[in-house]
Amino acid sequence: DAKTTQPTSMDCAEGRAANLPCNHSTISGNEYVYWYRQIHSQGPQYIIHGLKNNETNEMASLIITEDRKSSTLILPHATLRDTAVYYCIVKGAQKLVFGQGTRLTINP
Amino acid sequence: KAGVTQTPRYLIKTRGQQVTLSCSPISGHRSVSWYQQTPGQGLQFLFEYFSETQRNKGNFPGRFSGRQFSNSRSEMNVSTLELGDSALYLCASSLALQANYGYTFGSGTRLTVV
Repeated sequence: DAKTTQPTSMDCAEGRAANLPCNHSTISGNEYVYWYRQIHSQGPQYIIHGLKNNETNEMASLIITEDRKSSTLILPHATLRDTAVYYCIVKGAQKLVFGQGTRLTINP
Repeated sequence: KAGVTQTPRYLIKTRGQQVTLSCSPISGHRSVSWYQQTPGQGLQFLFEYFSETQRNKGNFPGRFSGRQFSNSRSEMNVSTLELGDSALYLCASSLALQANYGYTFGSGTRLTVV
């Protein structure tokens, strides 16, 4: 019952910005958009989250459309260590529901 | 501060046995969730506890159970193990059950059933 749609895979050149899209057309007003990534069967790592405003931290930026039906995670200067599966998750008060995510490959 | 600690890291069990996995959340976190990850099904939610009470449960058979102690530490138990239970079991903790509080994951316990 994941509520998001992401591309299965993407490629990006090292040093370039990686832009990962996510559709969440059924998002409710009190639900947040979260991004996690998982590197080779380690535990998922929190990246960023937001409600309706754009957010930025030391890892990434999150751009949420005005209607909140889609968002984009931006890794500004991708490195080889950013190769991972990226999960976009819509979350209310309880639990994270993971979809299949986007497998991002950073190429040298 | 210390992260989420899961023990053991690796475990090999025989079909039909039972197993108990342990999770120590980040200090101060009161919510603990459990996930199963397999190559075919991805990350699936098992259950979530908050203040020693189960608040959510995923679609898993009754062989999968859990509990949370007063210090927020949590255990999950799988009885009558099947080969299909081989998976990475992940625990995550959160400060509270609110939409703007995210989860921190542990490194997981890799269970192999033979």
